Amino acid sequence: KNEVEQSPQNLTAQEGEFITINCSYSVGISALHWLQQHPGGGIVSLFMLSSGKKKHGRLIATINIQEKHSSLHITASHPRDSAVYICASSAGNQFYFGTGTSLTVIP
Amino acid sequence: DTGVSQDPRHKITKRGQNVTFRCDPISEHNRLYWYRQTLGQGPEFLTYFQNEAQLEKSRLLSDRFSAERPKGSFSTLEIQRTEQGDSAMYLCASSVTGTDNEQFFGPGTRLTVL
Repeated sequence: KNEVEQSPQNLTAQEGEFITINCSYSVGISALHWLQQHPGGGIVSLFMLSSGKKKHGRLIATINIQEKHSSLHITASHPRDSAVYICASSAGNQFYFGTGTSLTVIP
Repeated sequence: DTGVSQDPRHKITKRGQNVTFRCDPISEHNRLYWYRQTLGQGPEFLTYFQNEAQLEKSRLLSDRFSAERPKGSFSTLEIQRTEQGDSAMYLCASSVTGTDNEQFFGPGTRLTVL
């Protein structure tokens, strides 16, 4: 089983701060996913990456395959970024999820 | 509607009752996944279908749980003789065929067993 660990578990930031959420996994994977979950349960896929770096707006995701590590960065954070961010690894058809990082951005 | 839908959104039931949830995936998606999420935890894989075939089941899916996708479109997840430990958010996701393709999640069904 692939163990997926995220840090920190909880994060509070002031509006405008640069935010980093980290994810590590234990075995080889095909892809790494970053998901966003708002209160009420809805999950949105932010990124799927297998190498390098991807950017979408103020969000940047990176992955280091050799170190089995990925990071999600949020630049110029905003209160609407407040959510739980979940890292998930996939190997074939199996997905393994981290427990999530709860982010609160204070105005 | 272009997203994944789930019904009901909330279900409260008494211990020992049977419950059934429905998931309607995005229409062109032939893969459908069920997950369970408890408070403070990430989703846990339960089972997945490719078209109507159930290809994989987690050990979490005890014999009280059964999932079907009879026509390769919508899916149902039934829990028999519910227990308080079954209280959780049940999430459905769909994707197109292919390894590691992006999954699109439904809003979930929150089950509370009293």
